Amino acid sequence: NAGVMQNPRHLVRRRGQEARLRCSPMKGHSHVYWYRQLPEEGLKFMVYLQKENIIDESGMPKERFSAEFPKEGPSILRIQQVVRGDSAAYFCASSPAGSRGDYEQYFGPGTRLTVT
Amino acid sequence: AQSVTQLDSQVPVFEEAPVELRCNYSSSVSVYLFWYVQYPNQGLQLLLKYLSGSTLVKGINGFEAEFNKSQTSFHLRKPSVHISDTAEYFCAVSPPLGGYQKVTFGTGTKLQVIP
Repeated sequence: NAGVMQNPRHLVRRRGQEARLRCSPMKGHSHVYWYRQLPEEGLKFMVYLQKENIIDESGMPKERFSAEFPKEGPSILRIQQVVRGDSAAYFCASSPAGSRGDYEQYFGPGTRLTVT
Repeated sequence: AQSVTQLDSQVPVFEEAPVELRCNYSSSVSVYLFWYVQYPNQGLQLLLKYLSGSTLVKGINGFEAEFNKSQTSFHLRKPSVHISDTAEYFCAVSPPLGGYQKVTFGTGTKLQVIP
């Protein structure tokens, strides 16, 4: 069973360009989480999605950032008009559906975004 | 809202010595508690978790942690470390939201095991 896949692993963008980060959850998982890790900081929750639904986006910046998890295909985190402050490692995690929320989140290897 | 404090950013320890990584949290509601490990250029892996019940939790790779509600702490311990334990360790909390976790992570502690 393949783990959580993220691509690309490294992404370099110039200021003003768009960044698209992809996350394929583990097989059978229908919940996806995105986290951002700034240098020398812990991971910060950004958004939680289920298939075709954004459940909690309270950690997402209000502008330029968007996320989706379509019925088919990977989850996408999109950052428009990137700025240097967006340089960070972006991690995706997935988990199976559960009514109590006590299951483990499985993390991908992350995408390291560098904005030049 | 909850927060997590890991006071030690780096902890050097000799191989086969014991280690304790400290974690304190703040929350107005009950929380789930976690320790994750991150090896270089990899994602996070769950070491152990506390949901309820016994306050001493045993995890993978010989690690254990004790939940202390009065001190709002969840320190991670291992009686004898190996070189392979060199990694960054994150303490995390999540309120039981009913169906998902909204995890707040600490800033991490880098454990360096010295041969």
